[in-house]
Amino acid sequence: SQTIHQWPATLVQPVGSPLSLECTVEGTSNPNLYWYRQAAGRGLQLLFYSVGIGQISSEVPQNLSASRPQDRQFILSSKKLLLSDSGFYLCAWSQNTGELFFGEGSRLTVL
Amino acid sequence: AQSVTQLGSHVSVSEGALVLLRCNYSSSVPPYLFWYVQYPNQGLQLLLKYTTGATLVKGINGFEAEFKKSETSFHLTKPSAHMSDAAEYFCAVRFSGGYQKVTFGIGTKLQVIP
Repeated sequence: SQTIHQWPATLVQPVGSPLSLECTVEGTSNPNLYWYRQAAGRGLQLLFYSVGIGQISSEVPQNLSASRPQDRQFILSSKKLLLSDSGFYLCAWSQNTGELFFGEGSRLTVL
Repeated sequence: AQSVTQLGSHVSVSEGALVLLRCNYSSSVPPYLFWYVQYPNQGLQLLLKYTTGATLVKGINGFEAEFKKSETSFHLTKPSAHMSDAAEYFCAVRFSGGYQKVTFGIGTKLQVIP
């Protein structure tokens, strides 16, 4: 069966520090991969999606970047965090059916 | 523009009462439709989905939803609320397009009152 893992689960970082959140999927090949950010009362905002290795599409201009170095690995990064980067980050994968399968989430607090 | 609207960011029901969470979308082409549930500090879990075929879709935990093309709606219902249903519910839509983008509503927090 397919599983998705993301880490770390919780992260507290100072403003201006770097960020790296990782996500891996097991049990499937060539999945579509996504990073979402969830802020209170604002639903889920799609940040990045990827349909293959090295293929990244950004939905909104921001302080973050994403990379897909391997088929089932998706990384969310920042060189310098801002206060506004605080939130709950969710990684997800899908195949062509469209339904998303989510990881457990990573809560980032920038101080 | 294509969008998803969930009416009511907070809904309260008594235990045993009907649960009705509303979702409308704007699209000229019927999309794929989903409902997800999220418990605190967890990821989202798929409740049910509509792609094609029967418009009444049954999901997990006794939930169901009906796709009504004429109303561009996909409301989520459950006949009798249970305390364990307290969570946040998200309607999501995959509009027709060249890639696998799914758009989410802002979510509805369901409170179940004993």
